[in-house]
Amino acid sequence: ETGVTQTPRHLVMGMTNKKSLKCEQHLGHNAMYWYKQSAKKPLELMFVYNFKEQTENNSVPSRFSPECPNSSHLFLHLHTLQPEDSALYLCASSQDSPGAGNTIYFGEGSWLTVV
Amino acid sequence: GDSVTQMEGPVTLSEEAFLTINCTYTATGYPSLFWYVQYPGEGLQLLLKATKADDKGSNKGFEATYRKETTSFHLEKGSVQVSDSAVYFCALSGTQGAQKLVFGQGTRLTINP
Repeated sequence: ETGVTQTPRHLVMGMTNKKSLKCEQHLGHNAMYWYKQSAKKPLELMFVYNFKEQTENNSVPSRFSPECPNSSHLFLHLHTLQPEDSALYLCASSQDSPGAGNTIYFGEGSWLTVV
Repeated sequence: GDSVTQMEGPVTLSEEAFLTINCTYTATGYPSLFWYVQYPGEGLQLLLKATKADDKGSNKGFEATYRKETTSFHLEKGSVQVSDSAVYFCALSGTQGAQKLVFGQGTRLTINP
């Protein structure tokens, strides 16, 4: 138990569906992240939120829409996805403070399959 | 920019063998260094970390020493178990902290009984 909880753990959706991934952290952190992990590719940072404000968007297609209503919750809204979007989506959190040494804590991930 | 290079896998060992997974980095300043582990079907878990030169991180029998002179953070374990089978990621965070965490490509480790 890392203190970061993701739901659902597994999701199968059609290309015309709209679904959402949810992440909740119980660590009192104020930075939250979405990462994408595909087979045979490096871990990709998608979005970063600090104190509910988006501070990084790594050229992610608009069919992925993040939402951060508060420092403890992060959503990834999915619509009109492509089969190549099938991957493990990892949520993470950390304490935001300057300097090095901050540790990122990951959830167990949401396995997404687009059919 | 900052980067991390890990030895390519997959790595296959027998139980009780000695393990080394090499990791070298390129960074400005004094980064913090991490090893994360991903067991099958799960997310990444922090295994150990070191925040300054000559620090040794250790956990679950794994160790890694922050070597600034060789810009390395090799992961070692004296006697591996089947349960250590996983993917191991080396990572660094520079002066911008965790929000600029840079990961290596991961090394898949399989331990045979």
